[in-house]
Amino acid sequence: AQRVTQPEKLLSVFKGAPVELKCNYSYSGSPELFWYVQYSRQRLQLLLRHISRESIKGFTADLNKGETSFHLKKPFAQEEDSAMYYCALNPAFYGGSQGNLIFGKGTKLSVKP
Amino acid sequence: EPEVTQTPSHQVTQMGQEVILRCVPISNHLYFYWYRQILGQKVEFLVSFYNNEISEKSEIFDDQFSVERPDGSNFTLKIRSTKLEDSAMYFCASHGMVADSYNEQFFGPGTRLTVL
Repeated sequence: AQRVTQPEKLLSVFKGAPVELKCNYSYSGSPELFWYVQYSRQRLQLLLRHISRESIKGFTADLNKGETSFHLKKPFAQEEDSAMYYCALNPAFYGGSQGNLIFGKGTKLSVKP
Repeated sequence: EPEVTQTPSHQVTQMGQEVILRCVPISNHLYFYWYRQILGQKVEFLVSFYNNEISEKSEIFDDQFSVERPDGSNFTLKIRSTKLEDSAMYFCASHGMVADSYNEQFFGPGTRLTVL
């Protein structure tokens, strides 16, 4: 079954501390993986995707196929990073069609001053 | 910057009533989606729509649900006879043509549906 697991509902860190938001997936093929972010009272927006290998707002995420993980990391958290973070999987991408997104339950990141 | 819009932001209805949730996708986008999020739970895919027909739907999307693109701009989700368990945030999303890489799905702000 296709599944995305985010084990932490809430992650609370102090400003300047490193952050790692965990994401594990279950999928037999080669999925496309994403991190979406939702700031308070704002819409879901794409933060980054594994295929582009970008660093956005200081965040990076590496796909580890052996561990089926796509953890989101930032070396120094900022207060403005406080938000809900959702890991998502698109199982159909490499099939040449645009599939639906399968989301994890989300992790609320709280960065304290 | 163009955005996906949704109306209303909050809809309250009585159980058994029909509701229509409206979305205006980004104008040159071709793929449209509905997702929902029950309070405290994950965002779940409902249906995708392309070329004026449903391309994929989840098991949640039963006969009580339907989607329509009545004109060139709106994309609607209808729930024929609402149940208490339909109470959720409903998100519309869209993206453009399939290229040689993934096209980002742009989400609307959501409609909160409350069924009493």
